Amino acid sequence: DTGVSQNPRHKITKRGQNVTFRCDPISEHNRLYWYRQTLGQGPEFLTYFQNEAQLEKSRLLSDRFSAERPKGSFSTLEIQRTEQGDSAMYLCASSLVPPQAPEKLFFGSGTQLSVL
Amino acid sequence: DAKTTQPTSMDCAEGRAANLPCNHSTISGNEYVYWYRQIHSQGPQYIIHGLKNNETNEMASLIITEDRKSSTLILPHATLRDTAVYYCIVRGNSGYALNFGKGTSLLVTP
Repeated sequence: DTGVSQNPRHKITKRGQNVTFRCDPISEHNRLYWYRQTLGQGPEFLTYFQNEAQLEKSRLLSDRFSAERPKGSFSTLEIQRTEQGDSAMYLCASSLVPPQAPEKLFFGSGTQLSVL
Repeated sequence: DAKTTQPTSMDCAEGRAANLPCNHSTISGNEYVYWYRQIHSQGPQYIIHGLKNNETNEMASLIITEDRKSSTLILPHATLRDTAVYYCIVRGNSGYALNFGKGTSLLVTP
């Protein structure tokens, strides 16, 4: 399968613990996005990378959240000191952005986080 | 990026055409209209996009009004597998994040 891969699919943790999610984008895609989605809502943008550079962060991304994309390939999203409000689906998407052309995002199936 | 307005939910009988409307009255000249859908427990899936002209692909057709203030996504022969939340998004090439909103929940019934 050559789509966007996210691991783990599900994560249950206790409040106060740290968690890390991984996203493997489609090969050669230069942009990578993280979104968060809670029940009944559409996905909300968190941050995105152009190759290895993190170019934009939403104000939803508190200091407890950090994302990396070393070498411009896979990405990790870490949440420190998790809170119950962090419970959500975390979605990753990637795209290949040609100049002056519309951008199509390809999403993974997400990581469902439950904070107890 | 311009905001969009979509109905919260719609029903469609299997085999019939599903017409999903979207209003984007503040759209600017260089902004595209994108449609994505999200089937339960999966990530969103790209369907189609357009700028001014109507577009068709293997999944759907996109009809954009001449003034570009609204559009309609058409699924010509809806199947049960088309039951999903459909998101209409307006975005220019200089914008970064797709803002999804709440979308339209389409239920296709037998």
